Amino acid sequence: SYVLTQPPSLSVAPGKTARITCGGDNIESKNVHWYRRKPGQAPVVVISYDSDRPSGIPERFSGSNSGNTATLTISRVETGDEADYYCQVWDRTTDHVVFGGGTKVTVL
Amino acid sequence: QVELVESGGDLVKTGGSLRLSCEASGFIFSDYYMSWIRQAPGKGLEWLAYIGSGGRSIYYADSVKGRFTISRDNAKNSLYLQMSALRAEDTALYYCARADAVNYMDVWGKGTTVTVSS
Repeated sequence: SYVLTQPPSLSVAPGKTARITCGGDNIESKNVHWYRRKPGQAPVVVISYDSDRPSGIPERFSGSNSGNTATLTISRVETGDEADYYCQVWDRTTDHVVFGGGTKVTVL
Repeated sequence: QVELVESGGDLVKTGGSLRLSCEASGFIFSDYYMSWIRQAPGKGLEWLAYIGSGGRSIYYADSVKGRFTISRDNAKNSLYLQMSALRAEDTALYYCARADAVNYMDVWGKGTTVTVSS
């Protein structure tokens, strides 16, 4: 089955840039979507189709996908960006949704 | 506004059954794929099932195939998850979500909690 690998945690200072990676075999051939889940809240999609930003998501959020790694970049990080972030793909081989294990972002 | 509200979560004994519901509003329910996803305590998101807009296309995660059944009633703007042979590891917060076909989930409910205990 297809596996997505994310770092479990990431710490970043306010105002700096956070880059969250999502590794998968030839992931560039798939559409990657990113979700943010804050404690006590439902997940929210922050990036779809590798780099599309839904309405209401700040321009500070961007995505890329190349080779075996997709990346969610959060620029000018704010304390309100503290959350768990998950990448997700649809695996056509198995007709399954696959989530990464999630990355906990802490703003120092 | 677009909203999804789950219900039906409960404390249930190992081996028991439970039916979750999700009521949709604010959009044309019959136009969209829908999905169930869960998050066990201290764990990440786990996709469970997708159902197509007309109810004919259905996909399941291996962990629930044969035990869980996803269904929908477009006349009632409702999505369901029938769960049987429940195990302790099914304890989780269960979300329903609107889906962009089989690609991603663009709207999520707040979830309903299922606890399975002997």
